[in-house]
Amino acid sequence: QVQLVESGGGVVQPGRSLRLSCAASGFTLSTSPMHWVRQAPGKGLEWVAVISFDGNNEHYADSVKGRFTISRDNSKNTLYLQMNSLRPDDTAVFYCARDRGTHFNYYGSYTYLYYGMDVWGQGTTVTVSS
Amino acid sequence: DIQMTQSPSSLSASVGDTVTITCQASQDIRNDLNWFQHEPGKAPKLLIYDASNLEPGVPSRFSGSGSGTDFTFTISTLQPEDAATYYCQHYNNLPPLFTFGPGTRVDIK
Repeated sequence: QVQLVESGGGVVQPGRSLRLSCAASGFTLSTSPMHWVRQAPGKGLEWVAVISFDGNNEHYADSVKGRFTISRDNSKNTLYLQMNSLRPDDTAVFYCARDRGTHFNYYGSYTYLYYGMDVWGQGTTVTVSS
Repeated sequence: DIQMTQSPSSLSASVGDTVTITCQASQDIRNDLNWFQHEPGKAPKLLIYDASNLEPGVPSRFSGSGSGTDFTFTISTLQPEDAATYYCQHYNNLPPLFTFGPGTRVDIK
């Protein structure tokens, strides 16, 4: 059974840091691009970041660029999101999700293709408040 | 950046009805569009990928169509368990960017 389980959420003061984790099971994490997506209270879904299967390609939403870092440890089947300089408007449920994408090797250089999320976790809540 | 709009923002329909949601992109996105169902407290669920392809395991009453800038999502024979918020989502690779529509809340009368 394909499953993603997020952890690490909590209440944190503005300006502080928090690291989220996402444990994968039922599929080979090391071959899958992965995302973080969030939903602020009363709002819709907002994409946060994506990382390639090998961790060598990362992209971020403008709202988190320079503050958040997505990473992965394929040996532990785990995805991470390091969140620094947190602000009250970062308060949200954070979801990890697998991408349907793929990659190919062209003369020794990888090209990464992302097609959007197909499997999601249940989310972990982050509250930024003093 | 490409903007995604959805209409209506919410609707209420009866069991057995056909429900249609539209999603519009601010520029041509070919068929690079997915549809998700999201119930409160649950993981979002992929229903339709690449505008019109039904994700395996998803009931056939869900369907999608369209390309370019205008897309349609349809639930035929609405069921009580279909009460949820539905999002369209555009994916882009140059550079990688993923944009959700604002969502359409579907309630059952």
